Amino acid sequence: GNSVTQMEGPVTLSEEAFLTINCTYTATGYPSLFWYVQYPGEGLQLLLKATKADDKGSNKGFEATYRKETTSFHLEKGSVQVSDSAVYFCALIPYNTDKLIFGTGTRLQVFP
Amino acid sequence: EAQVTQNPRYLITVTGKKLTVTCSQNMNHEYMSWYRQDPGLGLRQIYYSMNVEVTDKGDVPEGYKVSRKEKRNFPLILESPSPNQTSLYFCASSFGQGGETQYFGPGTRLLVL
Repeated sequence: GNSVTQMEGPVTLSEEAFLTINCTYTATGYPSLFWYVQYPGEGLQLLLKATKADDKGSNKGFEATYRKETTSFHLEKGSVQVSDSAVYFCALIPYNTDKLIFGTGTRLQVFP
Repeated sequence: EAQVTQNPRYLITVTGKKLTVTCSQNMNHEYMSWYRQDPGLGLRQIYYSMNVEVTDKGDVPEGYKVSRKEKRNFPLILESPSPNQTSLYFCASSFGQGGETQYFGPGTRLLVL
């Protein structure tokens, strides 16, 4: 079946540190891959997406590359800020469907 | 402004008292969906709709109903709420053409006593 596995949190970093949140997936065919972010008390916002192998999604300094060979879509940022503190969800939509399948989320806490 | 709205944002109720959570989108999206978010479980799909009068079960549909009489609205109905339905609920919508980005409402936090 289709599923998403992401690293458990919380991830605790100092401001300006490098961030990696690991995400791997299981899916048939070529799913679309997403990272959503949930700031405290808010809904989910799309952070970035990639729809085919080797695509790189990027937004607000965050990046993730669609790796078909390792079935991964790791989220990275070179220098985190306190304002990046949030819960990050990796998700996929299987090919030719509209069903969004989420990982369990990773809480990021950035301290000054 | 393009958005998905939900009402109410917060709700406390008692077991067995029917309630409805409304969801509306102004983007002319065909696909709409309801999710619940629980700690350690991420978001799980409750019901979805591909278009007006077309709805189907997601992964956790028990205890919920939906309807899609108009394209913009997709209410979630709990006929007889129970404490295990205490959760954070999100409505989402997209154009529904496969792999499209889904846009989320602000969430409804429900407590069933």
